[in-house]
Amino acid sequence: SQKIEQNSEALNIQEGKTATLTCNYTNYSPAYLQWYRQDPGRGPVFLLLIRENEKEKRKERLKVTFDTTLKQSLFHITASQPADSATYLCAPLDDSWGKLQFGAGTQVVVTP
Amino acid sequence: DTGVSQNPRHKITKRGQNVTFRCDPISEHNRLYWYRQTLGQGPEFLTYFQNEAQLEKSRLLSDRFSAERPKGSFSTLEIQRTEQGDSAMYLCASSLGREGILTKNIQYFGAGTRLSVL
Repeated sequence: SQKIEQNSEALNIQEGKTATLTCNYTNYSPAYLQWYRQDPGRGPVFLLLIRENEKEKRKERLKVTFDTTLKQSLFHITASQPADSATYLCAPLDDSWGKLQFGAGTQVVVTP
Repeated sequence: DTGVSQNPRHKITKRGQNVTFRCDPISEHNRLYWYRQTLGQGPEFLTYFQNEAQLEKSRLLSDRFSAERPKGSFSTLEIQRTEQGDSAMYLCASSLGREGILTKNIQYFGAGTRLSVL
């Protein structure tokens, strides 16, 4: 069955450092992969989408990589800030553009 | 605010009661999705609509769950004879739903309805 794995332990990081989150998937051949941010008591918010033929995508302080051989995506927050504290969810996506299937998410806590 | 709106934000009910949630998508969005999220987990897909047509339902959606989207605008999700296991956050999302155009299929989520079944 399809499985999406993200670090279950919270990532505690000092302000200014780079946070790196991992998303591994099995029994998937996604054409795209999305990353979302979710704050407590709120719905997920779309951050970035990367295509299978893109190795890397950047948006401001965020960087995503997508390795279809390793079946893995890495999500980096550079120069992290306390406002970056949230749970980050990955969602591999095939071509159907219907439902999203999410990993459990990784909580990031950035301390001053 | 022209985002996805969900009501109520919180619902507390007793086991066996029926509950109904409402979702108002972003105007002009053709697709509307329902997800359920429990603590420590990512959202799980329940069902989605393209306009008023319900195109897919998850096997998670038991016979006690029903969703409608009359006239292709707002949607309701009803849970009959609620059970304690139904306690969760119910999330609604919408997207433009344009075939082949990536940016038009990004899903925008509402803040959710938190259901507690006592």
